[in-house]
Amino acid sequence: NAGVTQTPKFRVLKTGQSMTLLCAQDMNHEYMYWYRQDPGMGLRLIHYSVGEGTTAKGEVPDGYNVSRLKKQNFLLGLESAAPSQTSVYFCASRKRANYGYTFGSGTRLTVV
Amino acid sequence: DAKTTQPNSMESNEEEPVHLPCNHSTISGTDYIHWYRQLPSQGPEYVIHGLTSNVNNRMASLAIAEDRKSSTLILHRATLRDAAVYYCILRAPNPGTASKLTFGTGTRLQVTL
Repeated sequence: NAGVTQTPKFRVLKTGQSMTLLCAQDMNHEYMYWYRQDPGMGLRLIHYSVGEGTTAKGEVPDGYNVSRLKKQNFLLGLESAAPSQTSVYFCASRKRANYGYTFGSGTRLTVV
Repeated sequence: DAKTTQPNSMESNEEEPVHLPCNHSTISGTDYIHWYRQLPSQGPEYVIHGLTSNVNNRMASLAIAEDRKSSTLILHRATLRDAAVYYCILRAPNPGTASKLTFGTGTRLQVTL
């Protein structure tokens, strides 16, 4: 049981480049989330999904897009990367209400 | 979201119990109290959660005050592997919005020999 797997683990982008971060879970969880974590700060929610085919904005959605075409995958896209998007990105999933969250190990993204 | 207040840091000796406090004076009647921890260079890890009654699991115990305005995470015997940032989070049970977690800055626990 792999849990939540994030790909890639590290990436360096140039300003203006695009990329997609992949989150995959094998636990048949309904809800999935993307967070970012900056130094000295707690995690902030970017986007989330309550089921296949659905997405919603979190507290810091600008500059990101997401898709949930398959229940097990939640993709986070950066169309035109900016240095302000340098961060560690965490994906999480949850079975349904009143269950705990399972987090991935993170993707460290640097935009230069 | 209701706010939580935690000390910025705490220290403990190995193999001693640790009590991590959390104040949440504006908690609503349906908010669950969640605890997560984040080890260095890792994603957050679920520890425990509860609503009104004290809860125990293999990782820790959660003691909730009778008025629910505070709670305490108890690690019964701290080990070096318990050194992490511990987050106390309130979560409203609202499946329509996925009951997203709102992280504060947590308590950094240092464990020494």
